[in-house]
Amino acid sequence: DIVMTQSPDSLAVSLGERATINCKSSQSVLYSSNNKNYFAWYQQKPGQPPKLLIYWASTRESGVPDRFSGSGSGTDFTLTISSLQAEDVAVYYCQQYYSTPYSFGQGTKLEIK
Amino acid sequence: QITLKESGPTLVKPTQTLTLTCTVSGFSLSTSGVGVGWIRQPPGKALEWLALIYWDDDQRYSPSLKNRLTITKDTSKNQVVLTMTNMDPVDTATYYCAHRLGGSGTNTFDYWGQGTLVTVSS
Repeated sequence: DIVMTQSPDSLAVSLGERATINCKSSQSVLYSSNNKNYFAWYQQKPGQPPKLLIYWASTRESGVPDRFSGSGSGTDFTLTISSLQAEDVAVYYCQQYYSTPYSFGQGTKLEIK
Repeated sequence: QITLKESGPTLVKPTQTLTLTCTVSGFSLSTSGVGVGWIRQPPGKALEWLALIYWDDDQRYSPSLKNRLTITKDTSKNQVVLTMTNMDPVDTATYYCAHRLGGSGTNTFDYWGQGTLVTVSS
């Protein structure tokens, strides 16, 4: 199984500042035949289901604000929120869909400083 | 628009079998490329992927739970059913069904149900 490890576990950032969350997979999720990273980011607010933000490591889902961006390849990935807004307070999860089980990270809780 | 809704018991006893139903709308379970998955989340904990069924009835399971899980679909009823045998208190969680993002290899999920909390207790 591919293990996804996020860092940090929690993060406090001031409004308008940049937030960065990292995720590391225990093996590469880059498929060489199509050069795609089978990797996604989700946002989950209290009492709500997860919301897909980013897939293929860097493709924003429709309707997701452009302050959210994803980067990385292979085993190391980053979610960046360029200017934190109050509505971004949530838990963020990474997921690999390279091989079953399509595992998630443990989550990173993002709060306002 | 695409919607999914989970239904089933809120309380099950240890050793019992859990049956959850996901009723979908806005898409057909028989359309090429379509998939519906199940993911669970214990209270205050992380997400855990359980199973996925595709439009052609191909199924994928979490290896650690494979011998306890069965996923099926009824296209005529627009429903996907997950059964989990031999329930234990550690299986207490919110169970979500979700729509697979379209496109080759995209086994991630763009639409989710609101989830249903299942408690396992005697």
